[in-house]
Amino acid sequence: RKEVEQDPGPFNVPEGATVAFNCTYSNSASQSFFWYRQDCRKEPKLLMSVYSSGNEDGRFTAQLNRASQYISLLIRDSKLSDSATYLCVVGSGSARQLTFGSGTQLTVLP
Amino acid sequence: DTGVSQNPRHKITKRGQNVTFRCDPISEHNRLYWYRQTLGQGPEFLTYFQNEAQLEKSRLLSDRFSAERPKGSFSTLEIQRTEQGDSAMYLCASSLGQINSPLHFGNGTRLTVT
Repeated sequence: RKEVEQDPGPFNVPEGATVAFNCTYSNSASQSFFWYRQDCRKEPKLLMSVYSSGNEDGRFTAQLNRASQYISLLIRDSKLSDSATYLCVVGSGSARQLTFGSGTQLTVLP
Repeated sequence: DTGVSQNPRHKITKRGQNVTFRCDPISEHNRLYWYRQTLGQGPEFLTYFQNEAQLEKSRLLSDRFSAERPKGSFSTLEIQRTEQGDSAMYLCASSLGQINSPLHFGNGTRLTVT
């Protein structure tokens, strides 16, 4: 089993749609969680950190469920510019190593 | 620009040659990471430094790979006797090193081994 697993995608949604991605992790000792966004042939960029109580940043909402060991990302009112690959990232207790999922590709269609 | 800088952006080399990549992290970041990414996959951890000390290396990092961070500032990643399977994007990232510190990535070096 991979340490971090994501929905394989791709997700093709119309503009304005709400879309959700899930990610599961295997290490119960994990303590840091992030969502990164990666555009085609570009480097990953931090989208948002994920906190235990859940957090929101504009149209983006991240949730953490420690009992079930998964995190989620919800995007509301999708924009064409949201088209990218979304990477789930989980850190060990020491935060020495951040493990990336394989990513979920999102295409927002006009 | 105070972001993470990587050089070169692209490198094409013949199998068997040695290559070296450089990474300049964000100046106040004490942790520096190297990742490798192939098409359709997320970045895979290779190694990381806390200041000048290399604290962890992945099993992916064969004997042909070596990384240094001599003064705790920039880092180099060298691949000796390159193989076609080494073709990938090599990403450098830096962070403050606290438990919830995110990684800040450079643009990466795309290596093609022919």
